[in-house]
Parts: sequence; structure tokens; C-alpha cells
Amino acid sequence: KQEVTQIPAALSVPEGENLVLNCSFTDSAIYNLQWFRQDPGKGLTSLLLIQSSQREQTSGRLNASLDKSSGRSTLYIAASQPGDSATYLCARYTGFQKLVFGTGTRLLVSP
Amino acid sequence: KAGVTQTPRYLIKTRGQQVTLSCSPISGHRSVSWYQQTPGQGLQFLFEYFSETQRNKGNFPGRFSGRQFSNSRSEMNVSTLELGDSALYLCASSLDPGLEETQYFGPGTRLLVL
Repeated sequence: KQEVTQIPAALSVPEGENLVLNCSFTDSAIYNLQWFRQDPGKGLTSLLLIQSSQREQTSGRLNASLDKSSGRSTLYIAASQPGDSATYLCARYTGFQKLVFGTGTRLLVSP
Repeated sequence: KAGVTQTPRYLIKTRGQQVTLSCSPISGHRSVSWYQQTPGQGLQFLFEYFSETQRNKGNFPGRFSGRQFSNSRSEMNVSTLELGDSALYLCASSLDPGLEETQYFGPGTRLLVL
């Protein structure tokens, strides 16, 4: 069974800090991985999609890496801002667009 | 281009009733997936449709069903509602399911079962 774990479950940092969110998965099969953010009571916003053939993707202050051999992905957020406060979710594709989600990391960035 | 839209946004039902939720994908997207989000179980996959065919289904009872129309719009139905069905129901659309492309989520329908 595909398991996706995210640590830490919650993170509180002052504005301006660089931070790393971790995602680990048990299935070493070659599938894509996607990072999302979710604001309270809202839907999911896609941040980055890392294809199985890639090692990392970058978008603005966000950088996501994928290490299939160790079953890990990390999301790096540079120079955090209060607007980055949200829950961050990673999800593995398992075929036919089925995503298996992690439990999420709740991030709070204080001014 | 308009995003994924879901209607209604909020719904209150009582146990035993049935409910139908609607999802309109991004124009040109042919794959629609449904997810249930609860505080206890997190996000769980319900089913995925492509070209009016269900291609994948999660571990949910038969009370949960769905369909997709020729214009790619999708509906999901929950019959004989239970208290545990209270959740945020999210749908997502994507352009080409064969390539596992980025999925775009709608704002969700929040269902409360009393």
C-alpha cells in the first residue's frame, strides 16, 4: 500500500527564514510527485509537479526535489513571508491520475 | 481561462438523504477526479473519469458513485448519507491523464450531514 508521510506536522517560523518541508513515500515505483498548498477552508493550489525523470523543479521562491532512491521529496521555501502560511501537501501519482496524499505540514510565518 | 468550478459550495443534509455534487473542469480538460477530505482521514481518492468512463476507483462503499458527461462535466452522488460523510469534497481536472500531468483543484463542496 502506498504511504506518504510528511514531517514536521506543523512549523512556525519568523518572516524571512528559509525552510524545508519533507515528504517520504514507501513505494519506489517511478511516478510523478506534486506539491500543493491549501489555505483554510479552501481547495488545493498546485505549486510544483516533479516528473519521475526529474530531480528538481523551481518556481520563484520554491524549489522541490525528488530522490527516488531514498523515497523522499523536499520543498524548500526561501525568504518566507506571512502569505506563505498555509498547509502544504505532497502527493504521489499512482496511475490514472490517482493521487495519494500525505498528511500535510501546517506552516505559520509570523511577521 | 476559468478554473475548476464546483457547485454547490456548501450543503447541509440529514442522515439517509442523498446528495449530488457537480464539477466543471477547466476548458479542454478531459480527466476529472474526486477526493474526500476529512480531519481524520485527510485527502482520499474517490474516483477518476475520462471520456465518460470511470477508470479508477478508491476504497469507498457503493453509496458513492459518479459519472461524467460528454462535455467532461462530472457529478458525484452519495446515497443514504451517514454522519461520517461530512467532509470537503474536491474535484480536480487535468489535460492528459496518460502523462500524469498537473491536476488543478476546485474550491470544493463542504457537506455537513446532521
